[in-house]
Amino acid sequence: AQKVTQAQTEISVVEKEDVTLDCVYETRDTTYYLFWYKQPPSGELVFLIRRNSFDEQNEISGRYSWNFQKSTSSFNFTITASQVVDSAVYFCALSEAASNSNSGYALNFGKGTSLLVTP
Amino acid sequence: DAGVIQSPRHEVTEMGQEVTLRCKPISGHDYLFWYRQTMMRGLELLIYFNNNVPIDDSGMPEDRFSAKMPNASFSTLKIQPSEPRDSAVYFCASSFVGNSPLHFGNGTRLTVT
Repeated sequence: AQKVTQAQTEISVVEKEDVTLDCVYETRDTTYYLFWYKQPPSGELVFLIRRNSFDEQNEISGRYSWNFQKSTSSFNFTITASQVVDSAVYFCALSEAASNSNSGYALNFGKGTSLLVTP
Repeated sequence: DAGVIQSPRHEVTEMGQEVTLRCKPISGHDYLFWYRQTMMRGLELLIYFNNNVPIDDSGMPEDRFSAKMPNASFSTLKIQPSEPRDSAVYFCASSFVGNSPLHFGNGTRLTVT
């Protein structure tokens, strides 16, 4: 069964600090997809990124960057120069190719990391 | 594109009452998902549909829960009878194709007293 672990429950940083949110996943499949979502205090779930298992290139989008390492089954998310608006709960999620299971296309979410950025 | 639309935003009901949550997916999206979010259990998949057909309902807690998708633009999640432990935020999401990003609605916050 697939599993996503976000070991950091809560992180608190001061504005302008860099912060890394950890995500470790488990799957027996060779084809899978990894996602990050943001849930701000207003409650909606906002898609940030998707990565497939065949693409290990790191990705950078503005102050956000993602490090995908299959060797350690990790897909970590770094926010550079954090801002107060980054305060939210961040979820890592995994989905498998549908051919592998009935629930393949559904996202299996980690428990989330609550990030608080203070001025 | 109006996004995924859920109604109502908030629902407060008494134990034993029937509750119906509604969802309109993004037009053209073939997949629809219902998730439940609680502090204790996080985000759990309840059921998902492909082209209006239920594919995986293994996450539906018990027979009190049922979901339907009568057409491509509408889905309901019904709880009958409701219990206090059903209190949670229920999210509907849709996606264009398999393994593409899910687009979530704003959720329905259900409180059962």
